[in-house]
Amino acid sequence: AQSVTQLGSHVSVSEGALVLLRCNYSSSVPPYLFWYVQYPNQGLQLLLKYTTGATLVKGINGFEAEFKKSETSFHLTKPSAHMSDAAEYFCAVSRGSQGNLIFGKGTKLSVKP
Amino acid sequence: NAGVTQTPKFQVLKTGQSMTLQCAQDMNHEYMSWYRQDPGMGLRLIHYSVGAGITDQGEVPNGYNVSRSTTEDFPLRLLSAAPSQTSVYFCASSYLLVGREGYTFGSGTRLTVV
Repeated sequence: AQSVTQLGSHVSVSEGALVLLRCNYSSSVPPYLFWYVQYPNQGLQLLLKYTTGATLVKGINGFEAEFKKSETSFHLTKPSAHMSDAAEYFCAVSRGSQGNLIFGKGTKLSVKP
Repeated sequence: NAGVTQTPKFQVLKTGQSMTLQCAQDMNHEYMSWYRQDPGMGLRLIHYSVGAGITDQGEVPNGYNVSRSTTEDFPLRLLSAAPSQTSVYFCASSYLLVGREGYTFGSGTRLTVV
């Protein structure tokens, strides 16, 4: 069975600081992994995804994530936080290649000026 | 290209009332699903469909009903609303091979049951 754990329900950083949002997964099959962002009162938007191939994946808005099979992790990073990055971020794993994403509980990112 | 359209955006129901949340997509996606989002719980899968005429239950299906008569539409029916169904509901769609593009989400329906 698949599951996702996001460490830290709330992360606060200063503008310009490194953003690190942690995600660990468990999967009985090679996983497809995703990060989504949700701005207040909006739907979820895909940030980036890992399916196969290169383990370091780049997404929109300067975010990237690295798939580490040995650590069962898919942490999200951004070198320099911007005020506009304040949002809730969700990590998700798919049940194989066909459908049904399992989501983590989310991490709310705050950015201080 | 509208993507995934959900209506209504907001709804208040009385306990025991029924209603249908609408979801439509124009991307010819085979896969559609409904999630509910509650504070601190993330998104939980209610029902999903892999094509017209095919539906299945997710993690929290009780109190909800779905059907898929066309590729484009996937309505969610609340049979007898309860306060525990107060939540934000999201419809999502994708190609059947979800790794190709991930999900496209609608903007959500915020439902309050009093």
